[in-house]
Amino acid sequence: QKEVEQDPGPLSVPEGAIVSLNCTYSNSAFQYFMWYRQYSRKGPELLMYTYSSGNKEDGRFTAQVDKSSKYISLFIRDSQPSDSATYLCAMSGDNYGQNFVFGPGTRLSVLP
Amino acid sequence: KAGVTQTPRYLIKTRGQQVTLSCSPISGHRSVSWYQQTPGQGLQFLFEYFSETQRNKGNFPGRFSGRQFSNSRSEMNVSTLELGDSALYLCASSWGLAVKNTGELFFGEGSRLTVL
Repeated sequence: QKEVEQDPGPLSVPEGAIVSLNCTYSNSAFQYFMWYRQYSRKGPELLMYTYSSGNKEDGRFTAQVDKSSKYISLFIRDSQPSDSATYLCAMSGDNYGQNFVFGPGTRLSVLP
Repeated sequence: KAGVTQTPRYLIKTRGQQVTLSCSPISGHRSVSWYQQTPGQGLQFLFEYFSETQRNKGNFPGRFSGRQFSNSRSEMNVSTLELGDSALYLCASSWGLAVKNTGELFFGEGSRLTVL
């Protein structure tokens, strides 16, 4: 079993839809949870950062962490074609330093 | 403010050769991490350097090595290239151990290595 699982997609939605992206993980030592967005031929860029369990909202993006279920989610409201990218979840713990463990990524297409 | 710069962007090598990739972090950033990205395995951590010292290492063979210079620029080297080394190699920088503060790694655009 991989440390972090993520549905690779591709996921296609119409413009304006609510998108739900999810990751599950197996290591209970993870405390820091991130979502990165990666456009084609670009490096990943940080979208959301959450420490421990709870919700965090930033504009159209909401991140949720449920440590008891080892499950994290990213919701995108009013999705736009510019949101079309690969979304990577990443996580780390106190003993990991800069060693983030990334999910394989979900490819999202928002159709106009 | 200049971002993370990686060179070369694209390169083609043959099996058995070696390759050196370069990364210039954002000015003021002291930590540089290297990741390998492939369609099958996703992003996998190679190693992290901070103040010229390797702080952490992933599960890659000894053919993969790196170093960091006093100006925080970093290089990674892959010796005796194998077909499976074909990948996008990403460098990421941060001021320090950013994971506890913002989780933000600033990634470069990567060096795409093809091994024939």
